[in-house]
Amino acid sequence: QIQLVQSGPELKKPGESVKISCKASGYTFTDYAMHWVKQAPGKGLKWMGWINTYTGKPTYADDFKGRFVFSLEASASTANLQISNLKNEDTATYFCARSLTYVDYWGQGVMVTVSS
Amino acid sequence: DVVLTQTPVSLSVTLGDQASISCRSSQSLEYSDGYTYLEWYLQKPGQSPQLLIYGVSNRFSGVPDRFIGSGSGTDFTLKISRVEPEDLGVYYCFQATHDPLTFGSGTKLEIK
Repeated sequence: QIQLVQSGPELKKPGESVKISCKASGYTFTDYAMHWVKQAPGKGLKWMGWINTYTGKPTYADDFKGRFVFSLEASASTANLQISNLKNEDTATYFCARSLTYVDYWGQGVMVTVSS
Repeated sequence: DVVLTQTPVSLSVTLGDQASISCRSSQSLEYSDGYTYLEWYLQKPGQSPQLLIYGVSNRFSGVPDRFIGSGSGTDFTLKISRVEPEDLGVYYCFQATHDPLTFGSGTKLEIK
């Protein structure tokens, strides 16, 4: 069955970096794009951008340009999100989700807490 | 950016009754290919969002026919007939027609 399994929760200090992963199974990884979505505590969903899993080309929403990097380990059917120079406002749950014509399957989310 | 305005913000419904959620877009969501990339998701407490409706009115695999999506252009509606306990959570509309992709602010469905 189709699954997107994300890495575990992270506790980081301001200024540090974090890399979270999203491992896909049950389908051909490069046939579907991978999106990233942020959800701050108690808030709604915010689209961060997506990565073309065939070409590796990332596209970032304006609020996520600079400190955020989408990458792939295609041989491992894994998409990664790296956030550098963490700020308190990066505290959130980050979801990966795949799409073809529409976003269908989602990972379980990774809670990233940034606190001194 | 396209703004999706969802109303109401919250909804309290008796089991078995109908619920209706509106999603209004600041721009038409019909793409140049004629398709409208408007989806509806339900996020149950403590869970990831789950796809209910894609392309305005198409139910995703396994979604009960109690969920009905409709609309066109800038005005869309999700109706849930015969609300059941497992329907509680936050409903989001989402557009993928225009870059950047955007979500509505959510509608919280509570059971009376």
